Amino acid sequence: AQSVSQHNHHVILSEAASLELGCNYSYGGTVNLFWYVQYPGQHLQLLLKYFSGDPLVKGIKGFEAEFIKSKFSFNLRKPSVQWSDTAEYFCAVNEGGFQKLVFGTGTRLLVSP
Amino acid sequence: DGGITQSPKYLFRKEGQNVTLSCEQNLNHDAMYWYRQDPGQGLRLIYYSQIVNDFQKGDIAEGYSVSREKKESFPLTVTSAQKNPTAFYLCASLNRGGTEAFFGQGTRLTVV
Repeated sequence: AQSVSQHNHHVILSEAASLELGCNYSYGGTVNLFWYVQYPGQHLQLLLKYFSGDPLVKGIKGFEAEFIKSKFSFNLRKPSVQWSDTAEYFCAVNEGGFQKLVFGTGTRLLVSP
Repeated sequence: DGGITQSPKYLFRKEGQNVTLSCEQNLNHDAMYWYRQDPGQGLRLIYYSQIVNDFQKGDIAEGYSVSREKKESFPLTVTSAQKNPTAFYLCASLNRGGTEAFFGQGTRLTVV
């Protein structure tokens, strides 16, 4: 069965630190990949997505992610976090053509000022 | 405007009762999904449907049922067999290429 793993459940950083959140998936075929963010008390918001082309994807708010097919990974990065990045981050994978959309368990990021 | 509408926003249920959560979309999407969100567990897939009159179990389908009689509608019934139904339920749809997902505002179900 397809699965999505986010190994970091909680991350605490100081402002201006660099961020990298891991995401690995198990499906071996064509995939579409997403990162969503959920700010406290708010609904899911799309940060970025990959479905083809350049494996380095840039999203909103200075976030980017790199798709490494050989590692089945789609890690999220940001060079310098801000206090306002405090939120929960979810990776999601859609098997191309199969339409099953699966989410990881999420990573709670706390950025201290 | 196109989108997904979930209703109600808040729902209270007595133990032993079935309850149905509504999800309607006007995006003309074939694929629709139901997730359950609990703290620390992310979004877990309950059921999904790729086409009218067809649906598949997700990872936590026990105690839930769905129907897909119309393309626009994908209601979720939380049955009395669901041992821990109190949660936030989120409905979603996916465009044909699988490149864009849309989410409803969610329904918070509380069993009292």
